[in-house]
Amino acid sequence: SQQGEEDPQALSIQEGENATMNCSYKTSINNLQWYRQNSGRGLVHLILIRSNEREKHSGRLRVTLDTSKKSSSLLITASRAADTASYFCATDDRDDKIIFGKGTRLHILP
Amino acid sequence: DAGVIQSPRHEVTEMGQEVTLRCKPISGHNSLFWYRQTMMRGLELLIYFNNNVPIDDSGMPEDRFSAKMPNASFSTLKIQPSEPRDSAVYFCASRLTGVYGYTFGSGTRLTVV
Repeated sequence: SQQGEEDPQALSIQEGENATMNCSYKTSINNLQWYRQNSGRGLVHLILIRSNEREKHSGRLRVTLDTSKKSSSLLITASRAADTASYFCATDDRDDKIIFGKGTRLHILP
Repeated sequence: DAGVIQSPRHEVTEMGQEVTLRCKPISGHNSLFWYRQTMMRGLELLIYFNNNVPIDDSGMPEDRFSAKMPNASFSTLKIQPSEPRDSAVYFCASRLTGVYGYTFGSGTRLTVV
């Protein structure tokens, strides 16, 4: 089954800087989603981008999708300490289930 | 809405014992998913239900694992007998078909010693 792979595996940046995480996947998709997981908690849905969309914004989040390269990026602008978490991309399956990558661990330094 | 509710939050059991994990999805959601998360393998989909019917259980690792959804508001994941390699965090998630974005529970951290 298809699976998103995030890059980098871990990222540390200073508070206030922008954080960019990438996701690559293997086969065609209907949509791609990004989730956040704080330590010891469940995943929280952040944003969805459909295969016919190229860019989407939600607050400080910006997601891009390049279906020709089978890749997506998540940009968090003006990072805050509260953004420290793991971020996962998830791609849909034709049977209506989503498959997660292994995530990027983001650490915001004070 | 209280969200997806999982119990227990933590479970420590001895190898060979039966373990039952519980999940209450969000009211009105008709799809329910069980995931397992480990450092080595990440998030693995074990099984999912649509309208209480198991649709895909190809992710269930062995016959020791079984899942049921007797009604729209309750699901269980059972491991019998449990083994140390089953130690992981088990998540339940639900959604309304056609509405994207899963809602996850807080997970059950299972430790088998």
